[in-house]
Amino acid sequence: SAVISQKPSRDICQRGTSLTIQCQVDSQVTMMFWYRQQPGQSLTLIATANQGSEATYESGFVIDKFPISRPNLTFSTLTVSNMSPEDSSIYLCSAGQGDTEAFFGQGTRLTVV
Amino acid sequence: QKEVEQDPGPLSVPEGAIVSLNCTYSNSAFQYFMWYRQYSRKGPELLMYTYSSGNKEDGRFTAQVDKSSKYISLFIRDSQPSDSATYLCAMSAGNTDKLIFGTGTRLQVFP
Repeated sequence: SAVISQKPSRDICQRGTSLTIQCQVDSQVTMMFWYRQQPGQSLTLIATANQGSEATYESGFVIDKFPISRPNLTFSTLTVSNMSPEDSSIYLCSAGQGDTEAFFGQGTRLTVV
Repeated sequence: QKEVEQDPGPLSVPEGAIVSLNCTYSNSAFQYFMWYRQYSRKGPELLMYTYSSGNKEDGRFTAQVDKSSKYISLFIRDSQPSDSATYLCAMSAGNTDKLIFGTGTRLQVFP
């Protein structure tokens, strides 16, 4: 299994600012993903972080709002840009092992005020 | 119709009970099936992973997949208060395909 460290674990941010969330995996993984989980709801995939190329975004999510970096096989960042209170959520990164066992970080609880 | 349907609960059972959690799905291409446990304010923790149909047992947990009925189950034997959490099913069609999650079932095991 992969161990995933995500930081920050929580933050309170002013509207209009940006926050970058970091995700570090303890081993090289092919697939990394970013999810959003709103209170009391399930996980919604934001994008697949591709190593060496642009991320693949799901419907309803755009690069300008959620830029993603994946500089190598163990690290990725998600930026939440120009935040509004509607962006308040838990953001989770996950890493797959190629056979689709996907492990998650502990999440970043974001509150936008 | 959602691709994956899961009863949100809450499901409340006494300690020691057998718990049955279920998901149905519509996409016959799904081959990989997972169950996650998520405690409040934590990330999802992978509990069980199965490929195609059949059963898999790990301690008090048993996962079942019935592809003909498009139905998966997670059984928890001798449930404990520490099992109180939200249980999420997830599935995908292939090892490079995204996971599709159910909405999660909130389970409470009372002493």
